[in-house]
Amino acid sequence: ETGVTQTPRHLVMGMTNKKSLKCEQHLGHNAMYWYKQSAKKPLELMFVYSLEERVENNSVPSRFSPECPNSSHLFLHLHTLQPEDSALYLCASSQGRDRLPFFGQGTRLTVV
Amino acid sequence: KQEVTQIPAALSVPEGENLVLNCSFTDSAIYNLQWFRQDPGKGLTSLLLIQSSQREQTSGRLNASLDKSSGRSTLYIAASQPGDSATYLCAVSDTNAGKSTFGDGTTLTVKP
Repeated sequence: ETGVTQTPRHLVMGMTNKKSLKCEQHLGHNAMYWYKQSAKKPLELMFVYSLEERVENNSVPSRFSPECPNSSHLFLHLHTLQPEDSALYLCASSQGRDRLPFFGQGTRLTVV
Repeated sequence: KQEVTQIPAALSVPEGENLVLNCSFTDSAIYNLQWFRQDPGKGLTSLLLIQSSQREQTSGRLNASLDKSSGRSTLYIAASQPGDSATYLCAVSDTNAGKSTFGDGTTLTVKP
C-alpha cells in the first residue's frame, strides 16, 4: 500500500467503550498529525508528532490519547467519549513540518 | 487568539473563469499558511504551503499569495474546471510552528 491509510473507516462506539484509531503511512515521512473535523466547525489540529515525539497538543481532552510507536504508525486511543466527540478524524503525515501534509481518508466516528 | 476567515463562504462560476478565494487572519505572526481542498465525503488534499518569508507559491493552475502584514492570502485558480468543485480551506500555523487555525472554507462550484 502507498500513502496514508486509516482504519477503521467507520466506527460506532458507546460512551463507556475503549477503542483505537490507527493510521499508517508508507511515504517515509517523519511527522504525523491527528485532525478533528466536526459538523459546522472549522477543522482542528489535535496532535503533532515529529520524529516520534509529540510536539504539539492543542488543548485536547485527556479522553483522547495519541501514541506514535514509530515513524510509520500513529494511534488515537479513545475512552469515555461524549456524543459531541462524534466527528471525522483525519490523520496526515509530512516530511518535516515545512512540507505539505498528505491525508488519509479519515475515520468517521459516532459516539452513542 | 488567531482567527481565520474565508470569504466568500460559497462561490459558483461557469467553467473557464478565473477566480480568487480569500483568506484573512488576525495575527500576522505566522509561521506558514496552507491551502487545502476537500471533496464531499472525502479527506483533505494539500494544495500549497507558503512560508512566512515567501510571497507566493504556484502549482499548475493554482497560485497562492501571502501578505503577512495585512493578514491576507488569496488562492487564484486559472481557467476553472468542473473538477475544481470542492471546499477550499486555508490554515495558518503560529510562529513556533505549533498551533494551526483553520478557516471555515469556501465551497466552490464550477458549472460546465
